[in-house]
Amino acid sequence: GESVGLHLPTLSVQEGDNSIINCAYSNSASDYFIWYKQESGKGPQFIIDIRSNMDKRQGQRVTVLLNKTVKHLSLQIAATQPGDSAVYFCASEGRRALTFGSGTRLQVQP
Amino acid sequence: GAVVSQHPSWVICKSGTSVKIECRSLDFQATTMFWYRQFPKQSLMLMATSNEGSKATYEQGVEKDKFLINHASLTLSTLTVTSAHPEDSSFYICSARGGWVGRDTQYFGPGTRLTVL
Repeated sequence: GESVGLHLPTLSVQEGDNSIINCAYSNSASDYFIWYKQESGKGPQFIIDIRSNMDKRQGQRVTVLLNKTVKHLSLQIAATQPGDSAVYFCASEGRRALTFGSGTRLQVQP
Repeated sequence: GAVVSQHPSWVICKSGTSVKIECRSLDFQATTMFWYRQFPKQSLMLMATSNEGSKATYEQGVEKDKFLINHASLTLSTLTVTSAHPEDSSFYICSARGGWVGRDTQYFGPGTRLTVL
């Protein structure tokens, strides 16, 4: 079946450092991937997406890398700020709907 | 653009009562809306998918008679939790997907925290 999972439940980084959050997926038929940020008590916020015909996409301070060979997705956040502290979910679009990973909590230390 | 709202943001009710949660797409027409529930420190779990004007498609294990979903217009979907019990206490989140904001991107509402006493 389709599943999306994350390697690390909690990531702690120093303010100003770069953060890398990883995600693995199992369904090779997935063709669309999204990263969401969820702050406590709020709904997920869209960060960046990527389609399977790409291997890299950049946004403002964020970069998503897709390695289809090993079914791996990563989110890189440059110059991490305290406001980046949140839970980050990767999600993959299957046949019908999104499948979410278990989430990684990013803690930014001042 | 692509703003989704939910109402109420939180609700406390007595066991046995019904609660209705509204999800609205404010600046786009949502051809498809999704309802999720999320328990503390867990990921989002899809409950059902609804398309405007048709019956919702429920995920396996979700009782359609308990979680009534209505998608009466392209900007509004409602979730009614009928005869709520304490185990229904959770964070309910809707999302909406519409043509002009991107074929696949889902935009999420802020969530509704339901507490059943």
